[in-house]
Amino acid sequence: EGQLVESGGIVVQPGGSLRLSCEASGFSFDDFTMHWVRQVPGKGLEWVSLISWDGGTTYYADSVKGRFTISRDNSKNSLYLQMNSLRTEDTALYYCAKGNGAYNGFDIWGQGTMVTVSS
Amino acid sequence: DIQMTQSPSSLSASVGDRVTITCRASQSISSYLNWYQQKPGKAPKLLIYAASSLQSGVPSRFRGSGSGTDFTLTISSLQPEDFATYYCQQTYSTPGGFTFGPGTKVDIK
Repeated sequence: EGQLVESGGIVVQPGGSLRLSCEASGFSFDDFTMHWVRQVPGKGLEWVSLISWDGGTTYYADSVKGRFTISRDNSKNSLYLQMNSLRTEDTALYYCAKGNGAYNGFDIWGQGTMVTVSS
Repeated sequence: DIQMTQSPSSLSASVGDRVTITCRASQSISSYLNWYQQKPGKAPKLLIYAASSLQSGVPSRFRGSGSGTDFTLTISSLQPEDFATYYCQQTYSTPGGFTFGPGTKVDIK
């Protein structure tokens, strides 16, 4: 059974930057597309970004495009999310998730890391 | 971008009830529709992928159906551990993202 563990969430001021990390174990990390999903406490799920197995393809939600960058280091079984120009509306619990094949949902999720953007 | 809607937004049911949740896409997404269950304080759990395929380890009382724009998640006999929020998600269109529906909260009557 695979596992994902996120880290890096903190309180940051508007306009600030932050890098989230997600460490994978228990599966062949470099075989799978990986995703970031966020959730404002008490609200619904918002897909944020994806990166293909080799890092060659990335996509972003319109709400973060141009401000967030997803990356991965397959040698370290790790996924990252560089978050710049943070806004109060970026405050959320950020999950990393493993793609279940290209289109079959996300079958492994981390426990999430909380990002709070506040002055 | 593809928009997802769900109905109802919440429902109250009893153990043993048959429960049906509907998800609708703003355009055809073929069968690229997934269902998740989320309990308070926990990460979402994949229940159904590709509209009707049961994820490994998920009880057979969960059933997904539909294609195109209209989809259904049915729980045949609600169990105490099924009280949770359920989300649909489309994975048809990458531009705009793999959008989730707003969720349906199932609580105890």
